[in-house]
Amino acid sequence: AQKITQTQPGMFVQEKEAVTLDCTYDTSDPSYGLFWYKQPSSGEMIFLIYQGSYDQQNATEGRYSLNFQKARKSANLVISASQLGDSAMYFCAMRVLNTGFQKLVFGTGTRLLVSP
Amino acid sequence: NAGVMQNPRHLVRRRGQEARLRCSPMKGHSHVYWYRQLPEEGLKFMVYLQKENIIDESGMPKERFSAEFPKEGPSILRIQQVVRGDSAAYFCASSPGQGENGEQYFGPGTRLTVT
Repeated sequence: AQKITQTQPGMFVQEKEAVTLDCTYDTSDPSYGLFWYKQPSSGEMIFLIYQGSYDQQNATEGRYSLNFQKARKSANLVISASQLGDSAMYFCAMRVLNTGFQKLVFGTGTRLLVSP
Repeated sequence: NAGVMQNPRHLVRRRGQEARLRCSPMKGHSHVYWYRQLPEEGLKFMVYLQKENIIDESGMPKERFSAEFPKEGPSILRIQQVVRGDSAAYFCASSPGQGENGEQYFGPGTRLTVT
């Protein structure tokens, strides 16, 4: 079975600083994808970044980067130069690719609060 | 290119009534997924459909819940005889295919409140 663990229920960071949100995963399948989503207070799910299990390099998207450590089964999200608008819930998710079932498995989320 | 559309955005039902949630996938997408988010929790997979077929319903409660994705029209998640525990946000996602091309795009969600 696939599982995502986010151990930080809440994180605080000051504006302009970097912050790391932790995510560990568990799967026995060799082919999988890892995602991070942002959920602001308005409720929608905003895709941030994707890492494939065979990708050699860590994914980056603007201020977001994914610190992918395959041996440790971790996929931490790093947000550089935090902004007030980054305050939101952040969810890590995984999808196993080599089966016919494409569902995403989500973690319980981390609430990030950015202060001025 | 319109994104995934869900309606209504907010739905209030009394216990025992039926709730119908609609999802129109992105243009060109033939795969639809429904997820439920209980308050203060992550999203939990419910069902995966392709046009006219249910592919995986392993996350659907055994009773009162059903889903369809007809050849024409939106996907429908139907909850019969709603109870207070059904109050949640229901998200729909769509994708153009599977595997590496199976990126899921989420709709804005429907927030169901059962009174």
